[in-house]
Amino acid sequence: AQSVSQHNHHVILSEAASLELGCNYSYGGTVNLFWYVQYPGQHLQLLLKYFSGDPLVKGIKGFEAEFIKSKFSFNLRKPSVQWSDTAEYFCAVRSGNRDDKIIFGKGTRLHILP
Amino acid sequence: GEEVAQTPKHLVRGEGQKAKLYCAPIKGHSYVFWYQQVLKNEFKFLISFQNENVFDETGMPKERFSAKCLPNSPCSLEIQATKLEDSAVYFCASSQGPGREQYFGPGTRLTVT
Repeated sequence: AQSVSQHNHHVILSEAASLELGCNYSYGGTVNLFWYVQYPGQHLQLLLKYFSGDPLVKGIKGFEAEFIKSKFSFNLRKPSVQWSDTAEYFCAVRSGNRDDKIIFGKGTRLHILP
Repeated sequence: GEEVAQTPKHLVRGEGQKAKLYCAPIKGHSYVFWYQQVLKNEFKFLISFQNENVFDETGMPKERFSAKCLPNSPCSLEIQATKLEDSAVYFCASSQGPGREQYFGPGTRLTVT
C-alpha cells in the first residue's frame, strides 16, 4: 500500500530563513507527487505537482520541490520564507495506475516568526 | 461553476443523528472525490465517483456511510447514526478525469456532540 511520511511535524523559522520540508513515499510504481498548503481557516491549495519530466518542480509563491526517485523523496524548499507562509503543508502521492485517490502525509505545521 | 462548492460550511449533530453533506463539482468535471480530515491533519480517502457511478469506494466505512452522485444534483455524503469519531472536516474534490489535477472545495466541518 502507498504511504507518505513527512519528517517534521512542527517547524518554527524566522522570516528570511530557508525552508526544507522532508517527504518520503512508499510505492514502487509510477507516481504523481504533490505538495498542498492549508492556510489557517482556509481550504487546501495546490502548491506544486510532479507528474513527469524535470524532477525539479517550481510552484507558486516561490516554492519548489525536487523528485529524487532513488530516494523516494519529494522535499519542498523555499530560499527565504515570509510570515505569510505560516500554514500546514501536506505532501501527497497518487499512483500512476489511475486509481486516482490521493494519499496524504500527516502534514507539517510551519510557523514563521515575524 | 469554477470552484468546488460544499454545503453546509458547518454542521453540528448529536450522537446518533444523521448528517448529510453536499458537493457541487466544477462544471465539466466528471470525477468527484470525498476525503475526511480528522484532527486537522490526517486525510483519509473515502470514495470517488465517475459521473454517477462509484469509481473507488475502498475507503468508505460500510456500516454508516453512504454517498451518491445523481445527474443534475449535487453529490452527497450521508452518515447515518453519527458517532463522536465522525467529527472531522469533509473535503470534496473534482477533476476532469483519471490522472488529472483534483481541485478541492472549502470543506464541511462536522461536529458530533
